[in-house]
Amino acid sequence: GQNIDQPTEMTATEGAIVQINCTYQTSGFNGLFWYQQHAGEAPTFLSYNVLDGLEEKGRFSSFLSRSKGYSYLLLKELQMKDSASYLCAGSDSNYQLIWGAGTKLIIKP
Amino acid sequence: NAGVTQTPKFQVLKTGQSMTLQCAQDMNHEYMSWYRQDPGMGLRLIHYSVGAGITDQGEVPNGYNVSRSTTEDFPLRLLSAAPSQTSVYFCASSRISGGNPNQPQHFGDGTRLSIL
Repeated sequence: GQNIDQPTEMTATEGAIVQINCTYQTSGFNGLFWYQQHAGEAPTFLSYNVLDGLEEKGRFSSFLSRSKGYSYLLLKELQMKDSASYLCAGSDSNYQLIWGAGTKLIIKP
Repeated sequence: NAGVTQTPKFQVLKTGQSMTLQCAQDMNHEYMSWYRQDPGMGLRLIHYSVGAGITDQGEVPNGYNVSRSTTEDFPLRLLSAAPSQTSVYFCASSRISGGNPNQPQHFGDGTRLSIL
């Protein structure tokens, strides 16, 4: 079966670094997405990885290991506005996205 | 620049009623999709379309119909509402580049639907 696993909730301190992990099992693989979703709002795109390695985009970076079926999202210099849910989604052989339930990130002052 | 527009934002229905959730995008995107989001679960794909006149089923299509008569519009119709369809519904659109629909999806603000 197809499955995306990520932690339900994480807590971090303002100014710190946090890593949100995601493991995936998909029928075929055409890349992995990360989206941010603030409470009561729509998801917004953060990153897309299809090759192994680290993609850096400002304070946010995303890593992919295809051999391990593993990805993480790294958030640096955390700000209160980063409090949100972070959704991991794998693209299968038909380019359909399989979504994780999301990781709720709580930032404390 | 409106992006993806969904209407209505909130709706309460009685069991057995039908209704249509509207979705329109102004970015000339080929790919459009409908998801439902339930607590503790990931987004689940209901139906999707890769262009006008073409639709296909996603993971949870039962009880829903779609049509795509134009590039811009992708309405979702609930045929006979059931309490299990209480959810938040998101419409999304994206480009298809070189036959690859793996492009960032733009989401509407969602429709919060309650079925009594």
